Amino acid sequence: DTEVTQTPKHLVMGMTNKKSLKCEQHMGHRAMYWYKQKAKKPPELMFVYSYEKLSINESVPSRFSPECPNSSLLNLHLHALQPEDSALYLCASSGGRTYNEQFFGPGTRLTVL
Amino acid sequence: SQQGEEDPQALSIQEGENATMNCSYKTSINNLQWYRQNSGRGLVHLILIRSNEREKHSGRLRVTLDTSKKSSSLLITASRAADTASYFCATDVSDTGFQKLVFGTGTRLLVSP
Repeated sequence: DTEVTQTPKHLVMGMTNKKSLKCEQHMGHRAMYWYKQKAKKPPELMFVYSYEKLSINESVPSRFSPECPNSSLLNLHLHALQPEDSALYLCASSGGRTYNEQFFGPGTRLTVL
Repeated sequence: SQQGEEDPQALSIQEGENATMNCSYKTSINNLQWYRQNSGRGLVHLILIRSNEREKHSGRLRVTLDTSKKSSSLLITASRAADTASYFCATDVSDTGFQKLVFGTGTRLLVSP
């Protein structure tokens, strides 16, 4: 299984809502990533987890809260978001023999009203 | 910003023609990777070239790397309509042991039948 899955595919939320994005991989990868991508822009790294520990936080606002419950799952908890946070949120993983290659999920399209 | 620049921003060609995209980056790298993204979807890894390599081939893809000029190029030969996508270079700039990819601005490729 070389797939990274993300749920939901689409999410619309108000600025006062709390929601979570989920990401799952079963490739045994020990590094997992969250990226944010605005339209017609490249992905921007938000967080890196390595062996279930937060290793890199690219100065992301605290209204984004990552969580890695186990080696296969990665969550991104959202609270009090702003309309400018609307974007495609991508999850990726890497590890194993192709450890430099990142495998991406299809993303969650988030709209904040 | 560490973000790399790609040119052209957009490229429109006919099936069977070759497509060349260029990437320039700013810092020293461990490796450089190319990814493809179909509209609004996740990214797919295409090829990786290490900092001590100058050229690499994979099927219809040819990548070159010139670390003295901090630049790379991706050549897609005999293009097909299915190659229509956005292409991003990504430099691995990690210095902490955790992979950190910085994506270029991307080239939108349109291949017409």
